[in-house]
This record gives sequence, C-alpha cells and structure tokens, in this order.
Amino acid sequence: AQSVSQHNHHVILSEAASLELGCNYSYGGTVNLFWYVQYPGQHLQLLLKYFSGDPLVKGIKGFEAEFIKSKFSFNLRKPSVQWSDTAEYFCAPCQDGQNFVFGPGTRLSVLP
Amino acid sequence: GAGVSQSPSNKVTEKGKDVELRCDPISGHTALYWYRQSLGQGLEFLIYFQGNSAPDKSGLPSDRFSAERTGGSVSTLTIQRTQQEDSAVYLCASSLGPYPGTGVGNTIYFGEGSWLTVV
Repeated sequence: AQSVSQHNHHVILSEAASLELGCNYSYGGTVNLFWYVQYPGQHLQLLLKYFSGDPLVKGIKGFEAEFIKSKFSFNLRKPSVQWSDTAEYFCAPCQDGQNFVFGPGTRLSVLP
Repeated sequence: GAGVSQSPSNKVTEKGKDVELRCDPISGHTALYWYRQSLGQGLEFLIYFQGNSAPDKSGLPSDRFSAERTGGSVSTLTIQRTQQEDSAVYLCASSLGPYPGTGVGNTIYFGEGSWLTVV
C-alpha cells in the first residue's frame, strides 16, 4: 500500500523567508501528485498538481513544486512567504488514478 | 449547487447514538469521496464511490461505518453506535471523472466538512 510522509509537522517562518515543505511517497507505479492547502476556517483547495511533463510545476499564489522521481519526492517551495500563507499543507499522491493518499499535513505559521 | 455541500455542518451526539452525514456533490461529478480529519491527524480516506458503487471501501474504520450513494448524486455516511474516537471532521469531495488522478485534468473538490463531536 502506498504511504506518504511529510517531513515537518509545524514550520514557523518570518515573512519574506523562503519555504520548502518536504513530501515523500512510497509507491513506485504511476503516481500523480497534488498539494492541497487548508487556510484557517476554510475547506481544502488545490494548490498545484503534477501529471506529466516538466517536473517543476507552478501553482497559485507563487507556490511551486518539483517532482523528483528517483527520490520519490514532490517538495513544495515558495521563495518568499507572506503572513497570508499561514495554513495547513497536505501532500497527496494519487496512485494509478484510483484515489488519494493524503499526507499527515504540515502546519505553516508565518509571523508578521 | 456551485460546490460540494455537506450537512450538518456541526453535530454533537451522545455516545451510542447513530448519526447520518450527508454530501451533495457538484452536479455531474461521477466520483465521490469521504475522508475524515481527526484533531491533530492528517486526512484519512474512508470510501470512494464511482456512480452508485463503491469500488474501494478499504478505509472504513469498522463495521459501524457505512455509506451509500443514490442516483449517482447524494451520498450518506452513517455511523452507528458512535464512540468518542469517532469525533472528527468528515469531509466529502467529488470530481468530474472516474479517476481524478489521471492526466484528464480532473480536480477533486472538497466540501466544508461536517464537524462531529461525540460526548
């Protein structure tokens, strides 16, 4: 069965700091990769997704993620975070297009 | 409706009672998912519907949990004889195509969740 790990449970940054959230998954077959974000008091929304092609994908709000197949990783990055990026971030590989396996989530707190 | 709708938004129930959670997916979406998020935990997959059938029920935590979907639309998640460990946010999601992870470009849309507290 597929599993997914996110390296950090809680990340605290100051505004303008750079962000990288780690995500590793275990499945070796066809995997599509997603990052979801949940802002305080809101429901989950899609941040970005990778299906094929350029392994560096860009999402909303300046986020990007890089798929490294050899490392089974799909890390999320942002060069300069803002206070409004405070949220919980979920990495979600989708195995063989069947269903998602969500990571445990990383809480990001950005200090103003 | 415009988005995935769930009801009730909040439910407090006594231990041992049965509860029903309802999900109304986006019109036309054939795939429907139930997840739950417990306090301090990540999202946990419960069940997936394609149309009215459930090819994957592997995430249901016990036989007290069941779900059905009728008319390829509304789904109900039922928890019988609730326990305190059932307290969580139950999230419903839907997607247009059968396999949202493929390169068709389908995206999974989540509702706002049903907060269940068992006291």
